[in-house]
Amino acid sequence: GAVVSQHPSWVICKSGTSVKIECRSLDFQATTMFWYRQFPKQSLMLMATSNEGSKATYEQGVEKDKFLINHASLTLSTLTVTSAHPEDSSFYICSARRTANYEQYFGPGTRLTVT
Amino acid sequence: KNQVEQSPQSLIILEGKNCTLQCNYTVSPFSNLRWYKQDTGRGPVSLTIMTFSENTKSNGRYTATLDADTKQSSLHITASQLSDSASYICVVSDPNNNDMRFGAGTRLTVKP
Repeated sequence: GAVVSQHPSWVICKSGTSVKIECRSLDFQATTMFWYRQFPKQSLMLMATSNEGSKATYEQGVEKDKFLINHASLTLSTLTVTSAHPEDSSFYICSARRTANYEQYFGPGTRLTVT
Repeated sequence: KNQVEQSPQSLIILEGKNCTLQCNYTVSPFSNLRWYKQDTGRGPVSLTIMTFSENTKSNGRYTATLDADTKQSSLHITASQLSDSASYICVVSDPNNNDMRFGAGTRLTVKP
């Protein structure tokens, strides 16, 4: 149990386009989900915290208008990278906090490449 | 300054050998300390979780220790295998806001 999926697992897009990444908790409810970004050989950097039914909380330096987060249900959060640029190329990882026990589970990640 | 410091940054060992990874933290108080294994291009997978009252926790060939007084933790890997090649990340949870503080990780390479 406690599986978190991400879709797509990798995506290549052209500069200026938008990309949506989905994060799903498959077998548990998650009131809170987190979005991280990871550059090569670096650790995970928290981008934002999303709570079901409310606005996401963004970390300092993360543009909320560029990284749109929607957490419309207890099992799904989406991250949309708007007007993507090559510097947005990164590995995006989500995690879901299980409502029942506050345990946090990570998704497999999404590799975004902007050309 | 990062509140969770890991060492070494990278490590290369031969298959079958043991190794120990270190984690020093300044998060105080903390609710739990976790070690994750992250394969290249994958999300982190939990290895061990310890509360402040626990000194050691094992998961197969992985054994984590915790000294809450000195704020140090270690992850010992026994009889390493090629599949152990990965990044190992130490994460300390802040109970005040349930934030997770990530270390930069140790990149382990196991060679045949």
